[in-house]
Amino acid sequence: GAVVSQHPSWVICKSGTSVKIECRSLDFQATTMFWYRQFPKQSLMLMATSNEGSKATYEQGVEKDKFLINHASLTLSTLTVTSAHPEDSSFYICSAPPTGPNTEAFFGQGTRLTVV
Amino acid sequence: DAKTTQPPSMDCAEGRAANLPCNHSTISGNEYVYWYRQIHSQGPQYIIHGLKNNETNEMASLIITEDRKSSTLILPHATLRDTAVYYCIVQSGGSNYKLTFGKGTLLTVNP
Repeated sequence: GAVVSQHPSWVICKSGTSVKIECRSLDFQATTMFWYRQFPKQSLMLMATSNEGSKATYEQGVEKDKFLINHASLTLSTLTVTSAHPEDSSFYICSAPPTGPNTEAFFGQGTRLTVV
Repeated sequence: DAKTTQPPSMDCAEGRAANLPCNHSTISGNEYVYWYRQIHSQGPQYIIHGLKNNETNEMASLIITEDRKSSTLILPHATLRDTAVYYCIVQSGGSNYKLTFGKGTLLTVNP
């Protein structure tokens, strides 16, 4: 199956700093990537959809200026958490979506962000 | 996409079959049933999917009722490494294939 590589797997940063998370499709091209956030003992919540060559689309309630998403190429999407605060501490996961109703999604390994 | 209902948790003895139920009573005719699992602190992993017929692969079997309103994921010989949260998701072609995750079932395989 397709491989989605996410980096870093974990990061600790100070309040007020920015953190970039990378998501790469290793053996296929992805025009779209989904970004999810998962708080402890909760399910995955879709934050935004990155689109290669155009602006990302954000789900309701997600701050565009805080969670900057860039889809620079067909193999790389990035999520930057700007001016991070402790409440941004979470597990962030990227996913290459299905290409049809009969195909599965592929997920990155996830990034554990801890803001201190 | 249709909503799914799963029990919050289940236990299974190592080596025994794990049967995880899912209710999707509002499923439409063109929607597939997908199962993913998430081991602690990892990204979700695809397991299996089906439309009408029962399916089997190297990981699991999927049994879909004739009316398609429910399904069961079967792990034939559960191991400790199968301990995870299992998500049942109904997927159609709408909304650019966005997946809506419910709370899933936490399967704990006990030695």
